[in-house]
Amino acid sequence: EAQVTQNPRYLITVTGKKLTVTCSQNMNHEYMSWYRQDPGLGLRQIYYSMNVEVTDKGDVPEGYKVSRKEKRNFPLILESPSPNQTSLYFCASSLFTGGDSPLHFGNGTRLTVT
Amino acid sequence: AQTVTQSQPEMSVQEAETVTLSCTYDTSESDYYLFWYKQPPSRQMILVIRQEAYKQQNATENRFSVNFQKAAKSFSLKISDSQLGDAAMYFCAYRSASFGNEKLTFGTGTRLTIIP
Repeated sequence: EAQVTQNPRYLITVTGKKLTVTCSQNMNHEYMSWYRQDPGLGLRQIYYSMNVEVTDKGDVPEGYKVSRKEKRNFPLILESPSPNQTSLYFCASSLFTGGDSPLHFGNGTRLTVT
Repeated sequence: AQTVTQSQPEMSVQEAETVTLSCTYDTSESDYYLFWYKQPPSRQMILVIRQEAYKQQNATENRFSVNFQKAAKSFSLKISDSQLGDAAMYFCAYRSASFGNEKLTFGTGTRLTIIP
């Protein structure tokens, strides 16, 4: 089944403890991206990647890192999480850029930082 | 920068009735895509309908249709014959047709309640 898989689905951590949220897609998609969803703000893009080894900042990149060493994987790294990073996170991918290629979303990761 | 505005934080409709969710956007681009996504309690983001800006004809998908007014920068979603399964948060989103970042710019969402 074609899908974007995020893990974990729920995560509770403490301030400053490094964590990684994994994202993997099995559709051979070129483009991958991370969003965070907060009440009253909708979804906002954190980082994106147009291909392997090519990543760039989105609208809210502060406090996050990403890497794209393989086409299928695009992990989101929080080196020192803070309570303001408590949010619902989505990974998304699409086949290519610059065209009418729909964005496929993962099922989300609910992160709580205490 | 593009912005998307959903002015109705919450809406409710009687089952089997019709409801329209509003969305306006601001852009200086002439070519772009507009989307409506549904987010049920499961949190999954589900694409409901998509509209290409260069197409004058309004998109339809079964009970879902849009009213796309390019000059007014308006993109409303009409749900006909509302069903209990339509209860969800609905997000309007914009994406540039230019090559590069496939970023979606989202509105703040409208929570739709279906009254049995």
